[in-house]
Amino acid sequence: RKEVEQDPGPFNVPEGATVAFNCTYSNSASQSFFWYRQDCRKEPKLLMSVYSSGNEDGRFTAQLNRASQYISLLIRDSKLSDSATYLCVVNPKAAGNKLTFGGGTRVLVKP
Amino acid sequence: DGGITQSPKYLFRKEGQNVTLSCEQNLNHDAMYWYRQDPGQGLRLIYYSQIVNDFQKGDIAEGYSVSREKKESFPLTVTSAQKNPTAFYLCASSGTVLMNTEAFFGQGTRLTVV
Repeated sequence: RKEVEQDPGPFNVPEGATVAFNCTYSNSASQSFFWYRQDCRKEPKLLMSVYSSGNEDGRFTAQLNRASQYISLLIRDSKLSDSATYLCVVNPKAAGNKLTFGGGTRVLVKP
Repeated sequence: DGGITQSPKYLFRKEGQNVTLSCEQNLNHDAMYWYRQDPGQGLRLIYYSQIVNDFQKGDIAEGYSVSREKKESFPLTVTSAQKNPTAFYLCASSGTVLMNTEAFFGQGTRLTVV
């Protein structure tokens, strides 16, 4: 089983709709979780960190479910500019850094 | 401006030649990483370093080597032993050994071996 797994998609989303997808992780001791966005042929950029209580940033909501070992990302009122690959990142160690990336979920927002 | 810089952006090499990719950061980060990304694929960890003069193999270290002589620098050498070196290489850095923080990426180096 991979350490971090994502549905590769693509998720085809009508403009204005809501889309949500998950990322599962195998190490129950994982401490830090992040969502990154990667545009085609560019470097990944931090979208948001994921906190235990869940957090929201504008149209984006991230949740952590420790019992089932997954994090989720929800995008409301999708814009054409939200089309990208969304990468889930997990740090499986309690201390130190060894960030492990999921394979990414591709989202295509269409008019 | 603080950040992480990779150079060059594009690199062409002949098969059988070693090539070194540069990665420099002025964020005072302890941890640095090298990832490889192939078209349509996710990021795969080549090497990472949590502190100066120390580094560990990632999932696909064969055919690559690194050094971490300075906190700011983490160069990656793609050796002739790497069977399929053409790829997009990303360098990243993050926080400290004791504190988990997000990673910041350089703009990447596209290596093409002909």
